[in-house]
Amino acid sequence: GAGVSQSPSNKVTEKGKDVELRCDPISGHTALYWYRQSLGQGLEFLIYFQGNSAPDKSGLPSDRFSAERTGGSVSTLTIQRTQQEDSAVYLCASSISPDRGDAFFGQGTRLTVV
Amino acid sequence: DAKTTQPNSMESNEEEPVHLPCNHSTISGTDYIHWYRQLPSQGPEYVIHGLTSNVNNRMASLAIAEDRKSSTLILHRATLRDAAVYYCILSSGNTPLVFGKGTRLSVIA
Repeated sequence: GAGVSQSPSNKVTEKGKDVELRCDPISGHTALYWYRQSLGQGLEFLIYFQGNSAPDKSGLPSDRFSAERTGGSVSTLTIQRTQQEDSAVYLCASSISPDRGDAFFGQGTRLTVV
Repeated sequence: DAKTTQPNSMESNEEEPVHLPCNHSTISGTDYIHWYRQLPSQGPEYVIHGLTSNVNNRMASLAIAEDRKSSTLILHRATLRDAAVYYCILSSGNTPLVFGKGTRLSVIA
């Protein structure tokens, strides 16, 4: 595709339910990043993939959060037993390699936990 | 553990140049200096990055101090569409981009 694609664009879920957020990076980009942004706040780093491996998971806020990447392409961020504080915009970005400055961001998934 | 320091906000008049400063006194030899911006209700957008030499592209210029402990993003002619939060980020090798609070730029018509 032409850019980073995220789905769904909006998700409303009930507290306690699990959700899966999907990211389709730009073809050929080996590095993939997940961030979240709460209303009016800055970007919070969650996890970074190089290929299918995740050398840096330090930003995942709790063990309810997990992410995987298959085939060096699509990534899924899963949040189990969602809580209201998980409500945020979840952003995905990809770059050709980790040391390339130009990472491209998707439009994000707006998650609302009610 | 902020690696960069930026003013919280700045204001500019339309069609004037804007100089957005960033201090990074603990920069290492392998750290690149990246700038991204985030327009309202959008994901971040890459602006420019550099290592030691000044850099120019269609969006902006990046001036890097000789000791690399500071840098300045230069928008040569601000427009209303440049109103955004501008982030200065250090990154090297396999480290992810970690965003701080950035500088909120307001452009006045």
